Amino acid sequence: EPEVTQTPSHQVTQMGQEVILRCVPISNHLYFYWYRQILGQKVEFLVSFYNNEISEKSEIFDDQFSVERPDGSNFTLKIRSTKLEDSAMYFCASSRGLGETQYFGPGTRLLVL
Amino acid sequence: QKEVEQDPGPLSVPEGAIVSLNCTYSNSAFQYFMWYRQYSRKGPELLMYTYSSGNKEDGRFTAQVDKSSKYISLFIRDSQPSDSATYLCATKANAGGTSYGKLTFGQGTILTVHP
Repeated sequence: EPEVTQTPSHQVTQMGQEVILRCVPISNHLYFYWYRQILGQKVEFLVSFYNNEISEKSEIFDDQFSVERPDGSNFTLKIRSTKLEDSAMYFCASSRGLGETQYFGPGTRLLVL
Repeated sequence: QKEVEQDPGPLSVPEGAIVSLNCTYSNSAFQYFMWYRQYSRKGPELLMYTYSSGNKEDGRFTAQVDKSSKYISLFIRDSQPSDSATYLCATKANAGGTSYGKLTFGQGTILTVHP
């Protein structure tokens, strides 16, 4: 069964450093999403992406964040200058169509020191 | 008022019990309702996806939606230790317009089914 994959599974970085989180969505899916979950809190929407453009973004997704689909398979989330409060689990998701089921990857646990 | 509210529990039940998990939501624009299961340190896994008010059954799981009360439920029959996980309700507005599929999640309810 096809699944969303994410790398790395864990990332530790120093405050102020740039990180890139990588995702490989399900191959025939067209819509891509990033969510994050701070420990003990809700899963929160960050951004949705379609046709090489951001479709929607939350207040969390400020200028420090960017997303890219650099090739036909990868979908990345970049945090330019990490803050302590960026420590969270980051989930990538994809869906075949706009109103269709979103399938989540296993997540990347980011720890900013 | 939070958009989606869910009692975080924890909820502990004996094996074989019927489990009832609930969420309320405040935004009338929410039209799609989902239940995800999340095991520790894993991604959410879709269990149920509903649109209409009423019940939807899949094996031991029944999702119930009452749009008039803005209330959604998940029932698990004959609960098993393997059902122990965090259960997340999620909602979504109609696709199109200003909505591009953003899911809004509840806090999650931690469920433990003990043998």
